[in-house]
Amino acid sequence: DVKVTQSSRYLVKRTGEKVFLECVQDMDHENMFWYRQDPGLGLRLIYFSYDVKMKEKGDIPEGYSVSREKKERFSLILESASTNQTSMYLCASSLNPGTGGSYEQYFGPGTRLTVT
Amino acid sequence: DQQVKQNSPSLSVQEGRISILNCDYTNSMFDYFLWYKKYPAEGPTFLISISSIKDKNEDGRFTVFLNKSAKHLSLHIVPSQPGDSAVYFCAAEKAAGNKLTFGGGTRVLVKP
Repeated sequence: DVKVTQSSRYLVKRTGEKVFLECVQDMDHENMFWYRQDPGLGLRLIYFSYDVKMKEKGDIPEGYSVSREKKERFSLILESASTNQTSMYLCASSLNPGTGGSYEQYFGPGTRLTVT
Repeated sequence: DQQVKQNSPSLSVQEGRISILNCDYTNSMFDYFLWYKKYPAEGPTFLISISSIKDKNEDGRFTVFLNKSAKHLSLHIVPSQPGDSAVYFCAAEKAAGNKLTFGGGTRVLVKP
């Protein structure tokens, strides 16, 4: 069974704080993703990584950065948290379809971040 | 500009009846489509998928239909059960890509 874990289920931070969200997967997946989920907007891709130390911007990267130093770990960083970053953050991982995987992504349980 | 749209934010259905969820897309480069189910306080879980070379895929109570000319797909759940109450997202992938583009979700409530 694929397991994707996220460091916190709930987090409350103050405006201007630096925030780290950690994600770990245990299935040796090449690809890892960070999304945010907001009502009516579905899941929007913030950043993704297809290899260690590689990253690509998704649809809404502004105000975020990422780090992938090890294959199993992908971190999302909010450099200076703002109230409009209050959201549910979801991490996912997947194999490359070209290496025998499918397009299916496996998700962690999410982190509900509130910025006050 | 949302490339994948679920125009019904919510759906209520009686237990035992059919649930039909709809999804429209605009990008003709999408060639693989997935449906995910999400319970509150949990991450989405994969439900069923379909490749653009097919027009139907069935897995137990779940069937996905794809109409490429209309850029439309639908998910049928028959019969609906109370445990199916959740938010359902459709997602699309481009050929040789690794990124999914998600719709806004449809909240389904199955009444006993």
